Amino acid sequence: AQKVTQAQTEISVVEKEDVTLDCVYETRDTTYYLFWYKQPPSGELVFLIRRNSFDEQNEISGRYSWNFQKSTSSFNFTITASQVVDSAVYFCALSGFYGQNFVFGPGTRLSVLP
Amino acid sequence: DAMVIQNPRYQVTQFGKPVTLSCSQTLNHNVMYWYQQKSSQAPKLLFHYYDKDFNNEADTPDNFQSRRPNTSFCFLDIRSPGLGDAAMYLCATSREGKGGEAFFGQGTRLTVV
Repeated sequence: AQKVTQAQTEISVVEKEDVTLDCVYETRDTTYYLFWYKQPPSGELVFLIRRNSFDEQNEISGRYSWNFQKSTSSFNFTITASQVVDSAVYFCALSGFYGQNFVFGPGTRLSVLP
Repeated sequence: DAMVIQNPRYQVTQFGKPVTLSCSQTLNHNVMYWYQQKSSQAPKLLFHYYDKDFNNEADTPDNFQSRRPNTSFCFLDIRSPGLGDAAMYLCATSREGKGGEAFFGQGTRLTVV
């Protein structure tokens, strides 16, 4: 069975601090995809990134960066120079190659204080 | 522009009275999912369709059923809603072979009175 663990339930930082959200996953699939989603207070899930299991290159998009390490089954997410608008619940997720068994981690609630 | 549309956004139903939630998509995606999300929890997968193949999660109660009459539409039927079924219900779609980045609808918030 597939499983995603996000050990940090809640994190609070002060604006402009960097913050890293941890994600550890378990799967028996050899090919799979990892995701990060943001759920702001409005409730809608917003896609941030998808990474396939063949591609261990780290990715940077503006203030966001992702560190995928297959050896430790981790897919961590870093926000640089955090802003109040980054306050949300962040979910790490995992799916099989065909989109099956799409499962979310429990989420990390990030609060960025002014 | 909405690609995954859920209706209604808010649904109030009586305890034990059957209710149906609907989802439609304009993306022509093969995979459609239904999730239940309770307050302060992660979305929990109830079932998904890969084309017409229905896949039920092992712990999804029998009270929850689904229908997918065609690629575009998918329905969630709750046969006898209990107070514990009050939640946000999220529909999502993803593409075959792409490890589906999932596109989510805005959800239907179900209240059981």
